[in-house]
Amino acid sequence: DAGVIQSPRHEVTEMGQEVTLRCKPISGHDYLFWYRQTMMQGLELLVYFNNKAVMDDSGMPKDRFSAKMPNASFSTLKIQPSEPRDSAVYFCASSYLRGNYGYTFGSGTRLTVV
Amino acid sequence: AQKITQTQPGMFVQEKEAVTLDCTYDTSDPSYGLFWYKQPSSGEMIFLIYQGSYDQQNATEGRYSLNFQKARKSANLVISASQLGDSAMYFCAMRRTGAGSYQLTFGKGTKLSVIP
Repeated sequence: DAGVIQSPRHEVTEMGQEVTLRCKPISGHDYLFWYRQTMMQGLELLVYFNNKAVMDDSGMPKDRFSAKMPNASFSTLKIQPSEPRDSAVYFCASSYLRGNYGYTFGSGTRLTVV
Repeated sequence: AQKITQTQPGMFVQEKEAVTLDCTYDTSDPSYGLFWYKQPSSGEMIFLIYQGSYDQQNATEGRYSLNFQKARKSANLVISASQLGDSAMYFCAMRRTGAGSYQLTFGKGTKLSVIP
């Protein structure tokens, strides 16, 4: 298994531009999570899905962020318009929660908004 | 609401020595799981060890063990025989294991530096 795959690994964009982050979870995992990591706030949950349905997006700024999971093997996190304060590492993680398993994280996308 | 507290922003340990990283938690849920993750400088999050709230024995995984004290709400990570490759950020996390929200709540982390 290739693990959780995120793309791109690094993204540098100008303020006001649209940014799309992508994630392919591990096959068979029915939960998918998007986290953001910053020095100040640490790891924050933005949104998570169960079987493609949004279960909780209370951590996501909805005026500029949107998350979708059109099928079981793909999810996107979109920021429009991007702002410098969105600069962070964005992690996607997936899990199979029957049983006591940890999440498997992707390698993250380092986003820099200038 | 769940809360994880890691009081040690940074720690140093001599190579081959054991080290304990502290983690306390707060939750009103009777059923929960506790996790430790390692984040090396390369940035990936690596799952290390898991402890369930109803597990009778402390979890162990190779050189990692979890010192679980339920009454004190602590879940400290013990790394035995430290290696230079153990230098990294370490995060304690928890989530419910019953029905409901399955999000992981993370602590702020502890930066461990192993000295040769």
